[in-house]
Amino acid sequence: ETGVTQTPRHLVMGMTNKKSLKCEQHLGHNAMYWYKQSAKKPLELMFVYNFKEQTENNSVPSRFSPECPNSSHLFLHLHTLQPEDSALYLCASSQVGRVGANVLTFGAGSRLTVL
Amino acid sequence: GENVEQHPSTLSVQEGDSAVIKCTYSDSASNYFPWYKQELGKRPQLIIDIRSNVGEKKDQRIAVTLNKTAKHFSLHITETQPEDSAVYFCAAANTDKLIFGTGTRLQVFP
Repeated sequence: ETGVTQTPRHLVMGMTNKKSLKCEQHLGHNAMYWYKQSAKKPLELMFVYNFKEQTENNSVPSRFSPECPNSSHLFLHLHTLQPEDSALYLCASSQVGRVGANVLTFGAGSRLTVL
Repeated sequence: GENVEQHPSTLSVQEGDSAVIKCTYSDSASNYFPWYKQELGKRPQLIIDIRSNVGEKKDQRIAVTLNKTAKHFSLHITETQPEDSAVYFCAAANTDKLIFGTGTRLQVFP
C-alpha cells in the first residue's frame, strides 16, 4: 500500500452515534492534516499534526476529536454530529522541513452523511 | 491568520484558448504557494508550486506567477484541452499550515 489511505470511504451515522475515521500514510512524512470539503467551504483546514503534536485547531467544534498516535496514523473521532457536518473529510500528509510547508498528498477521502 | 481569495469561481474556455486563475493572500509571511487540481470524484493533486524566492515557474502548458509586493499569484494554462476540465485550488502557507482558496471550476469545451 502506498500513499495516503483513508477508511471508511463512506459512512452514514445518526446524530447520537460515535464513529471514527482513520488515515494512514506510507510516505514517511512528518505532518498529517484533516480537511473538510463541502459545497460551502471547499477545502477547510481542521487539524494539523506536526511530529505527532497538534499545531493547529482551527476552531473546530469539540464533537470532532483528532488523535495522532504516531507520525503514520491519524484518526478523527466523531460524536453527536449534526446534519451540517455531512461532507467529504480529506486526510493529507506532507514533509515539513526548515523551509516550512511542502507538498500535500491527499487521501481519497471519507464521505460522511449524518442523518 | 491567513486568508486566501480566489477568482473567478467558474471559468469556461474553448479548447486551445488560455485560462488564468488569480489568488490573493493576506499573510505577508506566507512563503509557499501550491496549485491543486481536483477532477470530479477524485482527490486534489498538486500540479505546480512556487516559493517566495521565485517570481515565475513554468511546467509545459502551466505556469505560475507570484507578486509578493501585491500579495497575489496566478495560474496560467495555455492551449487548454478538455482533460484540463476540473476544479483548481490555490493555497498559501507559512510553516506547516496550508490555507486554500475557494476553488475555480474550469470547463474546457471542445
